[in-house]
Amino acid sequence: GAVVSQHPSRVICKSGTSVKIECRSLDFQATTMFWYRQFPKKSLMLMATSNEGSKATYEQGVEKDKFLINHASLTLSTLTVTSAHPEDSSFYICSARVTSGSSEQFFGPGTRLTVL
Amino acid sequence: GIQVEQSPPDLILQEGANSTLRCNFSDSVNNLQWFHQNPWGQLINLFYIPSGTKQNGRLSATTVATERYSLLYISSSQTTDSGVYFCAVGEGGGNKLTFGTGTQLKVEL
Repeated sequence: GAVVSQHPSRVICKSGTSVKIECRSLDFQATTMFWYRQFPKKSLMLMATSNEGSKATYEQGVEKDKFLINHASLTLSTLTVTSAHPEDSSFYICSARVTSGSSEQFFGPGTRLTVL
Repeated sequence: GIQVEQSPPDLILQEGANSTLRCNFSDSVNNLQWFHQNPWGQLINLFYIPSGTKQNGRLSATTVATERYSLLYISSSQTTDSGVYFCAVGEGGGNKLTFGTGTQLKVEL
C-alpha cells in the first residue's frame, strides 16, 4: 500500500512555457502533500506544503507565483512551473502523508524537467 | 532550522560486507525516516523510526532520540544495495521533512 504516482516522469519544454506536474496518492487519502526539488548529486529540498482545500505553504525563498500549487482533492496535488526558464530545470518529487495515523511520508517517482 | 548530517558521504563495499550509516540531527524530532534512492530517482521507504529499533531482512535501524542520532545497518551487502541513502527528520506539528546530506553507497563484486 501507500503508493504515490507522478505524471509526467520526464518533460522537456521551451523557455517561457508553463508545465504542470501531477501527484496522486493511489491507495490512500492525503490531506497533506509535499513538493521537493533535487539538484544533481544533491539532497532534496522542500519547496512547499500542499493542503487539501486551502492555500499551499511555501518555504522561504520559493516564489509562490512561479510555482503554483493546487490540492483540489484528497488524492491529487498539482505543481505548475510558470514561465519556465533553464534554471528551473531540476528533478521534482512529491510526497504524501496518510491522513490519519503516523506521520510517515511516501514519495512519488519524480519528474525530470528540462527547460531549453 | 534543524540540521541533519549523514556520514560517511561516500562508501565503497565488497559484496557480502556489512556497513553502518549514521544520521545526526540538531534538535528534537517527531519523525525520522530512512530512504534508499535508486538510480532512477525513486525514493524507497526503508524505515519509519522516530525512536527505537526495527529490522527488515538484511537491514536494521536504531534511533536514539535523546542523543539525536540514528543508525542504519546493512548486512551482507549486495550490488543492488548501491545508491544513495537519505535520512530525513520531521519536527513540530507540520510534518515537514528535512533531508540529510546523503550517503552514496557502491557495492562491488
